[in-house]
Amino acid sequence: EDQVTQSPEALRLQEGESSSLNCSYTVSGLRGLFWYRQDPGKGPEFLFTLYSAGEEKEKERLKATLTKKESFLHITAPKPEDSATYLCAVFGRTYKYIFGTGTRLKVLA
Amino acid sequence: EAGVVQSPRYKIIEKKQPVAFWCNPISGHNTLYWYLQNLGQGPELLIRYENEEAVDDSQLPKDRFSAERLKGVDSTLKIQPAELGDSAVYLCASSLDRWLAGGNNTGELFFGEGSRLTVL
Repeated sequence: EDQVTQSPEALRLQEGESSSLNCSYTVSGLRGLFWYRQDPGKGPEFLFTLYSAGEEKEKERLKATLTKKESFLHITAPKPEDSATYLCAVFGRTYKYIFGTGTRLKVLA
Repeated sequence: EAGVVQSPRYKIIEKKQPVAFWCNPISGHNTLYWYLQNLGQGPELLIRYENEEAVDDSQLPKDRFSAERLKGVDSTLKIQPAELGDSAVYLCASSLDRWLAGGNNTGELFFGEGSRLTVL
């Protein structure tokens, strides 16, 4: 059964304090691992797709990496506007997107 | 380009009452999804359409939930009768043709802002 586990559940950072969010997964025939950002009262917003182990993607202060068992979302020098819930999802042979429960990030000024 | 549009944004009803949610996907997106999101949880698939056909409704509680996608564009999700446990956010999403790795299709889902249901 495809499964995604995200940690930590919640994270508080000072502005400028870099950190990483973890997404551990088991999936049959990974076709893609996705990161989304979700603001309160909004739908998830796409950030990255990673297709295979060793791949990395960057966007502003965010960098996503992928291994055969987990993905990391690295946040470098975060700002208060980076505060949101970050969701990880996998898509495999079942042709279903399986989402994790997310990491709630709060960046303090 | 207009995004995925959902309505209503908020709905408060008494238990046992019916409720319906509407979704207009991004133009040209043939795949449409309805997800359920409880507080502090990730989205969970209720039903997936490819054009007019419901290709995955295995997680839809069919005793009280129904959905339709007429003409392969707009979709409606209905609950009748609503129960207290149905209080949640109902998200609609759309995407391009069936997921293909690589190319220009990143496989991303485009989500609407959701419909928040409160059942009293």
